[in-house]
Amino acid sequence: QSVLTQPPSVSAAPGQKVTISCSGSSSNIGNNYVSWYQQLPGTAPKLLIYDNNWRPSGIPDRFSGSKSGTSATLGITGLQTGDEADYYCGSWDSSLSAGVFGGGTKLTVL
Amino acid sequence: EVQLVESGGGLVQPGGSLRLSCAASGFTFTTYWMSWVRQVPGKGLEWVANINKDGSEKFYVDSVKGRFTISRDNAKNALYLQMNTLRAEDTAVYSCARAPGGGIRFDPWGQGTLVTVSS
Repeated sequence: QSVLTQPPSVSAAPGQKVTISCSGSSSNIGNNYVSWYQQLPGTAPKLLIYDNNWRPSGIPDRFSGSKSGTSATLGITGLQTGDEADYYCGSWDSSLSAGVFGGGTKLTVL
Repeated sequence: EVQLVESGGGLVQPGGSLRLSCAASGFTFTTYWMSWVRQVPGKGLEWVANINKDGSEKFYVDSVKGRFTISRDNAKNALYLQMNTLRAEDTAVYSCARAPGGGIRFDPWGQGTLVTVSS
């Protein structure tokens, strides 16, 4: 059981928009930054969003992050088949003094 | 180019030990926190440990406390994970990651090294 809760899967058509939710608590998302990662099949995870809503250089603005209370959301617009991947949210948990991840969400672009 | 290359994985019996290494290049190693994250093949990510820039602060997931030790050698641009009293549930791909500012921001990640704990 992951500390952060994500839907196991989401799907949408090419060109459409999708959102992936990440739910936590006051000890993690509520009082700490959230990061989002994309893991394409057979590759290492890649940082998409950090500090709730900042994109590293090279990440297209089709990817966005937001946070409200103890939940965070990753948004992806203009879906491409190349976006099919597993997406993970992560945060620091101040009560555990540990990093925590969501269980991951598999995105299918139909 | 920033590179992280792990080594040291392999097959080990339950109760055994293994030391993982991560060779860092392409950035000023001494100015970054570093982390280990593991992933059971086909499953999700699990944060394992963080270490600060000079090695004076270390954090661990509860399941490895007292068994794993994270360390670094800034002179060699190297990160280590000493794993003792290994259990079957420690079987996973272990990846090192650069952690700007500590916390859960990891960028980039290495490709990982597989640790299999089995008799």
